[in-house]
Amino acid sequence: AQSVTQLDSHVSVSEGTPVLLRCNYSSSYSPSLFWYVQHPNKGLQLLLKYTSAATLVKGINGFEAEFKKSETSFHLTKPSAHMSDAAEYFCVVSDGKTSYDKVIFGPGTSLSVIP
Amino acid sequence: DAGVIQSPRHEVTEMGQEVTLRCKPISGHNSLFWYRQTMMRGLELLIYFNNNVPIDDSGMPEDRFSAKMPNASFSTLKIQPSEPRDSAVYFCATATGTGTSPLHFGNGTRLTVT
Repeated sequence: AQSVTQLDSHVSVSEGTPVLLRCNYSSSYSPSLFWYVQHPNKGLQLLLKYTSAATLVKGINGFEAEFKKSETSFHLTKPSAHMSDAAEYFCVVSDGKTSYDKVIFGPGTSLSVIP
Repeated sequence: DAGVIQSPRHEVTEMGQEVTLRCKPISGHNSLFWYRQTMMRGLELLIYFNNNVPIDDSGMPEDRFSAKMPNASFSTLKIQPSEPRDSAVYFCATATGTGTSPLHFGNGTRLTVT
């Protein structure tokens, strides 16, 4: 069975410092992995996705994530945090190649950015 | 691209009343999902349609909940009768139908049952 673990429920960083949001997964197959961001009172927005191409994936707003199969990790990073990055972040794993048999959302990490 | 459109954005109703939430998917997306989000449980998948056919409704809490997708451009989630514990944000999301394609979310309907 597949699962997603987001190791921190809350992360706080100062503006201009690096961001690291951690995600580990378990999957029986070669998974597709995603990061979504949710700002207050909004729906979830796709930040980036990994689907078995390059292991370093670049997304929107300066975010990137690296797929490490040996560590079953897909951590999200950004070199310099901005106030507008304060939001909830979800790591997602999908095992389905041809259908959405299983799409698993992590519990989320709340990111605070201190001025 | 107008995105996934949900209505209403907010709904306040009294216990026992019927509630209908609506979703218009992105044109060409043939997979549609209804999620519920609460502080206690996070995001929960309620039901998943593919080509207008319900594929997985194991997340529907009980018989009070029902969902339909009469055509490719419209879906509803109905709660009857509503209860206070149904208070949550309900999201509709759509995708192009393969597990490698990301979900596109609407802005949600915030339901409050008093």
